[in-house]
Amino acid sequence: GAGVSQSPSNKVTEKGKDVELRCDPISGHTALYWYRQSLGQGLEFLIYFQGNSAPDKSGLPSDRFSAERTGGSVSTLTIQRTQQEDSAVYLCASSLVRGPLGEQYFGPGTRLTVT
Amino acid sequence: GESVGLHLPTLSVQEGDNSIINCAYSNSASDYFIWYKQESGKGPQFIIDIRSNMDKRQGQRVTVLLNKTVKHLSLQIAATQPGDSAVYFCAEQETSGSRLTFGEGTQLTVNP
Repeated sequence: GAGVSQSPSNKVTEKGKDVELRCDPISGHTALYWYRQSLGQGLEFLIYFQGNSAPDKSGLPSDRFSAERTGGSVSTLTIQRTQQEDSAVYLCASSLVRGPLGEQYFGPGTRLTVT
Repeated sequence: GESVGLHLPTLSVQEGDNSIINCAYSNSASDYFIWYKQESGKGPQFIIDIRSNMDKRQGQRVTVLLNKTVKHLSLQIAATQPGDSAVYFCAEQETSGSRLTFGEGTQLTVNP
C-alpha cells in the first residue's frame, strides 16, 4: 500500500528565502511527526500532531519554523528566512496511534540545501 | 539532558557473520525502544521494537536485548547479508510522550 510521501524530494534555496515542505501521511494515521536529520547525524524531533489536539511544538528550533496539518491529513512544514544551518533532510512520519503503541512509518525525506 | 547514544559509529563484518550493534540510553522513564535501519537516501525503516517489561525479543534474523539495569540496548543480526549494510539507529520513547529520541547511528558494512 501507499506509504508516507514527501515533496519535494530536494529543495535548494537561497539564504533568507522561505520554504514549504509537504508531507502526506498514510491514510487513516492520526499521528504525524516531523524530524530533522543533519548530515551524518541522528534524527531530531521537531513537531508532533495527534488528531485535533494542540500540536507538540517543543522541538522546533526557532520561531522561523512552523507547521500545519490541515484536515487531519496533509502537513506542511514552513521555514521562514532560511539560514545555512537549516540545511538538512526533513523527515515526516505517521503512526496509527500515539504513544508507545504506535509504530512510526517514515517518508523518504526532503533534502533542503540553503546556499 | 536525556540522551540515547551508540557505542560504535562504524561496524564492518564479513557476510555470514553475526553482527551486534549496541546502544546506551539515559532516560529511565523510557518505556519503548525501537531499532531502525536507514539506507542511503531513504527514510528510517522499522526493524524491531521492545517494551521495557521485556528483556529479549526476536524477529526474523534479528534479536533485540534490553538491559534496564545498565540502560543498554543491543541489536543482533544473524547471518549478516550485504543487504543489511545501512545505518542503524536506536530510538526510545517515554511512556507518556510520543516523540522518538534517536541515537547517533552505527554504519554497518557487510563485506562479501
